[in-house]
Amino acid sequence: DVKVTQSSRYLVKRTGEKVFLECVQDMDHENMFWYRQDPGLGLRLIYFSYDVKMKEKGDIPEGYSVSREKKERFSLILESASTNQTSMYLCMVAGGETQYFGPGTRLLVL
Amino acid sequence: AQSVTQPDIHITVSEGASLELRCNYSYGATPYLFWYVQSPGQGLQLLLKYFSGDTLVQGIKGFEAEFKRSQSSFNLRKPSVHWSDAAEYFCAVGPYNFNKFYFGSGTKLNVKP
Repeated sequence: DVKVTQSSRYLVKRTGEKVFLECVQDMDHENMFWYRQDPGLGLRLIYFSYDVKMKEKGDIPEGYSVSREKKERFSLILESASTNQTSMYLCMVAGGETQYFGPGTRLLVL
Repeated sequence: AQSVTQPDIHITVSEGASLELRCNYSYGATPYLFWYVQSPGQGLQLLLKYFSGDTLVQGIKGFEAEFKRSQSSFNLRKPSVHWSDAAEYFCAVGPYNFNKFYFGSGTKLNVKP
């Protein structure tokens, strides 16, 4: 089974801090995604990557950036965290007609 | 533009009753369609998926879904709901190469005893 790990389960940051969320997969899948999940809004796509150094914006990229320097690792960066970025962040890896989710990072921005 | 619509935010059914959760999609290419379930505090679990072929697909936990291209729908059904089915359900759509993937806003299912 593919394993998808995220660097933190819970994170508390202050407004204005730079925040790094990391997602690592243990298989050789090309497609990796970052979503945020908010009550009543479902999962909204922030960014995705289909290969090393390749990235595309999703529906809500503002205030976020991403990095994919190695195939197994996809990082989400909040350049200057704001309170409206308090959310659950989910990493997804897609490959072989199946999707695999990380456990999620619950981020609180104070 | 690609999108997935789940028109029902909350649904309440009695235990033993039948269930249908609606999903409509807008997608420019041939869609791959999925249903996921998320129990409170848990991650997303794949219930079933449709790629091609028979438009009625069977999934885990007794769920099934029917793809209707003419209606751009992929509704989830279960003949008899159990209390353990109370959860949030998400419909999703993606292309054949999975380089983009969109989720609906979810439907919360409440099961009455």
